[in-house]
Amino acid sequence: DAKTTQPTSMDCAEGRAANLPCNHSTISGNEYVYWYRQIHSQGPQYIIHGLKNNETNEMASLIITEDRKSSTLILPHATLRDTAVYYCIVRPSFGNEKLTFGTGTRLTIIP
Amino acid sequence: GAVVSQHPSRVICKSGTSVKIECRSLDFQATTMFWYRQFPKQSLMLMATSNEGSKATYEQGVEKDKFLINHASLTLSTLTVTSAHPEDSSFYICSASPRQGALETQYFGPGTRLLVL
Repeated sequence: DAKTTQPTSMDCAEGRAANLPCNHSTISGNEYVYWYRQIHSQGPQYIIHGLKNNETNEMASLIITEDRKSSTLILPHATLRDTAVYYCIVRPSFGNEKLTFGTGTRLTIIP
Repeated sequence: GAVVSQHPSRVICKSGTSVKIECRSLDFQATTMFWYRQFPKQSLMLMATSNEGSKATYEQGVEKDKFLINHASLTLSTLTVTSAHPEDSSFYICSASPRQGALETQYFGPGTRLLVL
């Protein structure tokens, strides 16, 4: 069973920030939050991951709430190429390496 | 970032034949590779976990005798769909984890689209 809940779909205007929420209320202390995205007919692409601190890289920012029960992926300046299905996944940092994909959020960037 | 390739990118075969799909980590060594299957408009479903030099671990409901996995080296894993049937038509995706470090990110291949006629 997927351990995360995401909205089915979202739209965002090109050039604006896209904020994708994820609920993971049953997350354990040793589980990280990972974000991947899948552009149509391609393999998933790693975006970012975090434990409890906010993280930022060249692709996105990840904001994790203090209680770690939810997080938000932020694409600061969305482009048409960011149209994809975004998956939020929780996974232990050690041992079991499986990634269990839920249904994700289909993000559509509007010109 | 780390690169994972798959070959072929797409394949069409006749029912009853076998098809082999290769997954390679191009710039890192991977002790663990994963095989996923994705049907249209659905999410990725893990089929099996492949460890170099040992037998693969299959997820519940995945027939190990039908989906043969070989992970003979630290950079190559193969998935063979034996006696393929039209219901095996799907998008097959592999991923690999770099060998070093306890916290490992999986990197995915571009996928192989299989059509069984």
